[in-house]
Amino acid sequence: TQLLEQSPQFLSIQEGENLTVYCNSSSVFSSLQWYRQEPGEGPVLLVTVVTGGEVKKLKRLTFQFGDARKDSSLHITAAQPGDTGLYLCAGPNAGGTSYGKLTFGQGTILTVHP
Amino acid sequence: DSGVTQTPKHLITATGQRVTLRCSPRSGDLSVYWYQQSLDQGLQFLIQYYNGEERAKGNILERFSAQQFPDLHSELNLSSLELGDSALYFCASSVVPGNTGELFFGEGSRLTVL
Repeated sequence: TQLLEQSPQFLSIQEGENLTVYCNSSSVFSSLQWYRQEPGEGPVLLVTVVTGGEVKKLKRLTFQFGDARKDSSLHITAAQPGDTGLYLCAGPNAGGTSYGKLTFGQGTILTVHP
Repeated sequence: DSGVTQTPKHLITATGQRVTLRCSPRSGDLSVYWYQQSLDQGLQFLIQYYNGEERAKGNILERFSAQQFPDLHSELNLSSLELGDSALYFCASSVVPGNTGELFFGEGSRLTVL
């Protein structure tokens, strides 16, 4: 069974601070995704990283896929209260043909205080 | 708005009862996925349907069943409910389960079993 471990589980910071969330596994993933979920809503896809070593930027968010495709990180620069939410990493299960069968990490609850 | 519609949003029922959760995928999406989100287990894949046929199964209990109808909407049936079944149930859809498994989630159905 492929597992994804996220750290930290909780993050409470002040507006303007930087932060990094980690997603680690002992298994190789063909790709990894990051989702953001707000209370009362479903997860929303932020980014998909596919190539080992890949770095993608989405405004103040920087996503990195490890060279060995076993880990990923999400870095937020100058966090804002609007960044508050649950951040989830997810990867497709190895084998089979259903790439929508995702394994999710436990998530990181981020709270950004004004 | 992801385009995925789930009903009902909230459901309160008693142990031993049976409920049906409904999902309408995004227009044009052929694949529907059901996920369960609980505090202790996180987001867990339950089952996937593609164009009316079961495509993949995850940690779905025998008391649970699902189907996808010709109009592509899907229903998740939960029977002999137990307290531990209380959770958020999400439906997600995609056009085709591609390599990156990009999913669009609905807002979820919150089930409370008393």
